[in-house]
Formats: sequence, structure tokens, C-alpha cells
Amino acid sequence: NAGVTQTPKFQVLKTGQSMTLQCAQDMNHEYMSWYRQDPGMGLRLIHYSVGAGITDQGEVPNGYNVSRSTTEDFPLRLLSAAPSQTSVYFCASSSGQGYEKLFFGSGTQLSVL
Amino acid sequence: DAKTTQPTSMDCAEGRAANLPCNHSTISGNEYVYWYRQIHSQGPQYIIHGLKNNETNEMASLIITEDRKSSTLILPHATLRDTAVYYCIVRVAGETSGSRLTFGEGTQLTVNP
Repeated sequence: NAGVTQTPKFQVLKTGQSMTLQCAQDMNHEYMSWYRQDPGMGLRLIHYSVGAGITDQGEVPNGYNVSRSTTEDFPLRLLSAAPSQTSVYFCASSSGQGYEKLFFGSGTQLSVL
Repeated sequence: DAKTTQPTSMDCAEGRAANLPCNHSTISGNEYVYWYRQIHSQGPQYIIHGLKNNETNEMASLIITEDRKSSTLILPHATLRDTAVYYCIVRVAGETSGSRLTFGEGTQLTVNP
């Protein structure tokens, strides 16, 4: 199994540009989420989804949009990139069967100039 | 969610047991204790979780005190590959909380040769 796959691994944007970070999982997990991690800090939840068609905001949602049209995919959109969004982004999924064993992707390192 | 307190950093000699403490004095009866680790630049990896009984799996053991106010993650024979940041997380288990774990700053464990 591939598990959770994130693309791209690295991305450089200019301020104001938009882009989509891709996340796909092949474990038929209902729950997916996006986190960001700034240098020397823990992970902070951006958005999450409990199933196709259902999304909700996490701790730091501003500047990001998500949608969940299929169980497998959970893309994260940056509408107008800002330097403050320079970070490493992780996607995660879980089966949600009563306890939180999250499976994480390998991350996307984003730099906004 | 209950707040957790972990030491910022710890060292351990290769081949010895690594004991990582976590304080969660405000934990409530329906909150689980989860441990994850993050090896440099990779996505976090699930290690173990428990409610009140001690737990063991192929990666580690989790010892929870009888009053549940603290716990210890034990890596029985640490190797250099166990060098990572270890996160202790407390969370109510439930269908909609599967994607919303809160990661603090964790403990940087360094295993020395």
C-alpha cells in the first residue's frame, strides 16, 4: 500500500500566487486532515474532513480552502500565498474507528517569497 | 483536551531503555493517551495509545499511573534510529475526533552511540 501520498514535495511560490497541495490515501479512510508545521514547533491543524462532502476548520484555517469530493482525495488550496504560509504541510488520514491512529504523508515543504 | 507537559529534550545511550515522561494531570476519564514520534523532516508516526491499562506493542510500552495523571513511554532498547521528537497527546476517542489531534512541542530524544 502507498498509504498517504502528498505532492509536490517542494514548492516555491511568489506572494499572491495560488496553488493546490495534493493529498491522496488508498486505505479507504473516512477521516483526513491537513496540518502545518513551522520550524521548531509542533503541528497545527488547518482543516479536516470526516467523510466525502464534509469538511471543517481546524486551529489555523485562514488563507486555506479544502474540499472532499471523494474518499481518497483531500486537496488543500492556498488562495493567495503569503510569506506567513511558508511551512511544511502534512496530510493525515485515519479510519476513525474509535481511536486516533493517524497515518501521515511525507510532507510538502512550501516557501513563499 | 487535557494539557500535556513533556521535557524539551532527553538523551539516551544506544542499547539502553529510553523512558519518556508525560504529565497530564487534568486528564478526564474518557481521554486516551497517545504517543507519536517524528523523525527529522518526516511525517509523524503513531507509536502506541492507552486508556488506563499498561500497553505494549512491537515498538514500545506505555505505562500509565493509577491516577492517570502521568504516563511514561518506554523504548526498551533504543537505537540511533529512535532519535526523534516524541509527542504525548491526550484526546477523547470518538467518531468525529479522529482527525483533530493536537500536537505540542514534544520531547527531542537523542540516542547516542
